[in-house]
Amino acid sequence: ETGVTQSPTHLIKTRGQQVTLRCSSQSGHNTVSWYQQALGQGPQFIFQYYREEENGRGNFPPRFSGLQFPNYSSELNVNALELDDSALYLCASRAKDRTNTEAFFGQGTRLTVV
Amino acid sequence: GENVEQHPSTLSVQEGDSAVIKCTYSDSASNYFPWYKQELGKRPQLIIDIRSNVGEKKDQRIAVTLNKTAKHFSLHITETQPEDSAVYFCAASIGNTDKLIFGTGTRLQVFP
Repeated sequence: ETGVTQSPTHLIKTRGQQVTLRCSSQSGHNTVSWYQQALGQGPQFIFQYYREEENGRGNFPPRFSGLQFPNYSSELNVNALELDDSALYLCASRAKDRTNTEAFFGQGTRLTVV
Repeated sequence: GENVEQHPSTLSVQEGDSAVIKCTYSDSASNYFPWYKQELGKRPQLIIDIRSNVGEKKDQRIAVTLNKTAKHFSLHITETQPEDSAVYFCAASIGNTDKLIFGTGTRLQVFP
């Protein structure tokens, strides 16, 4: 098992609500990337945080936002939830300053929007 | 934009046979190509990766080949076992960054 933990594991929200998902990165890792995995699809890159700053963003609207804290844990916030936001949200952490290190995924948060 | 295509979407093999999954990518600047195994309800786990300065890499029953000119890479699993059954994803880096674009996945079933 990796040292990357996500909370909560499951969540049900109503369309229009806001949600915050959390990711605790593995010890020694300073980079967190967030991915959205719709059912039957591969993960899609949302954004990455490195040393508390956004460091790259995929094709997601501004209502997807994030934070990284001094301990390198991270949050993903989604405003104005839509039905299509229902997916497994994965975070992955790695040590960016070291070459050739793999990213370790958390177990994910399954979000259902009704 | 950048894209990764993966084939086949499903693959059924008999235990002991080989399995091959193929991916193509569009970004000629991609330089890192990992493969992940995802079992039902679990996190993706890295099984093997390759960088653009290498053409082939092997780890026991798993191998990956990369053809930079053609922009495609493949996963080879030999002597398959029932516990190899899972969804496999290929991915390519966005340029020379550590951000990844994933393929759509291949559901591998190994029958005893």
